[in-house]
Amino acid sequence: AQSVTQPDIHITVSEGASLELRCNYSYGATPYLFWYVQSPGQGLQLLLKYFSGDTLVQGIKGFEAEFKRSQSSFNLRKPSVHWSDAAEYFCAVGSGANNLFFGTGTRLTVIP
Amino acid sequence: ETGVTQSPTHLIKTRGQQVTLRCSSQSGHNTVSWYQQALGQGPQFIFQYYREEENGRGNFPPRFSGLQFPNYSSELNVNALELDDSALYLCASSIGSSYNSPLHFGNGTRLTVT
Repeated sequence: AQSVTQPDIHITVSEGASLELRCNYSYGATPYLFWYVQSPGQGLQLLLKYFSGDTLVQGIKGFEAEFKRSQSSFNLRKPSVHWSDAAEYFCAVGSGANNLFFGTGTRLTVIP
Repeated sequence: ETGVTQSPTHLIKTRGQQVTLRCSSQSGHNTVSWYQQALGQGPQFIFQYYREEENGRGNFPPRFSGLQFPNYSSELNVNALELDDSALYLCASSIGSSYNSPLHFGNGTRLTVT
């Protein structure tokens, strides 16, 4: 059965600092992997996705993620965090016909 | 183009009652998926509708049911509400049911069951 683990419930970073959010997945076949962001009171917005090919994928808002099959990981990174990046971040793996299995999320706080 | 809109934004119901949540998909999208997001959790897949037919269902009991209309808008119905049904219900639309078509989420309906 598929599962997604986001080990960090809450992360605090200073504005301008680099960011890495961890995601580990368990899935029998080649995974379809996604990162979504959710601002308070909002729905989810897709940041980036990995299906195949280059293991480093670029997304919107300056985010990138690297797929590492050997570690079953798909960590999200950003070189310099902005205050507007404060939100909840969800990693997800594709399960069935466009159904997504989400992790429990990591809440990002950005301090000035 | 208009995005995914959900109504109502907030709703309070009593245990045992029934509720209907509505979703208008983004223009040109023929697939609607519904997710339940409990407080502090990630969204959980309820079911998906593609061209008015159910196209996959998560681990939810039959009292969770849905409809998709010819204009591709959708309803989520929940009967015999339980306290644990309190959550944010998210609707997402897409073009087709393939992963190549990204999900576009609405802002959700916050349901509180007392």
